[in-house]
Amino acid sequence: DARVTQTPRHKVTEMGQEVTMRCQPILGHNTVFWYRQTMMQGLELLAYFRNRAPLDDSGMPKDRFSAEMPDATLATLKIQPSEPRDSAVYFCASGFVGGAEAFFGQGTRLTVV
Amino acid sequence: DQQVKQNSPSLSVQEGRISILNCDYTNSMFDYFLWYKKYPAEGPTFLISISSIKDKNEDGRFTVFLNKSAKHLSLHIVPSQPGDSAVYFCAASAGNNRKLIWGLGTSLAVNP
Repeated sequence: DARVTQTPRHKVTEMGQEVTMRCQPILGHNTVFWYRQTMMQGLELLAYFRNRAPLDDSGMPKDRFSAEMPDATLATLKIQPSEPRDSAVYFCASGFVGGAEAFFGQGTRLTVV
Repeated sequence: DQQVKQNSPSLSVQEGRISILNCDYTNSMFDYFLWYKKYPAEGPTFLISISSIKDKNEDGRFTVFLNKSAKHLSLHIVPSQPGDSAVYFCAASAGNNRKLIWGLGTSLAVNP
């Protein structure tokens, strides 16, 4: 049963700490998305990779957020330093080039206190 | 500025009746539209999509209608079942980019 795997599922951290979220896309998928879900903004696209290359990270605060794909099986989203306003659910999704359908992981619920 | 709008935050329907979820968009460049369903503590799951060259797409109990002139699409679920209770997101994309722009979602409750 192919699925997108995200770790950790929950993270509570203190303001100022570094947070790393990991995502294993579905094998064979060549696009990876990072989304943030908040009550007020809904689902916001933070970053979008195609064949491991970043295509669009305009939704990401560059001063503290970074997204990478070290290899085809791992995508990471880092926040350093974290702030309370970063508290949200972060979703990773993967798909195929040319297919708009994206398959989502279960999300990482981040709480920054 | 929300390019994809779901103006009803919530909807309640009786089991067996039709559920109609609405979505409006402002960007005329959007050419592909999708509906996703989301249960609590899970990621969204793809439900059904429609290309701008069509005005209707049907998959079992789910039908999506697209009215390009009105920049409006709707998702019909008939008959509605309690398991359909979830948050439904409308999303749109333009061109080959396939970057999705999302609405804020409509929470559907189907009452037994």
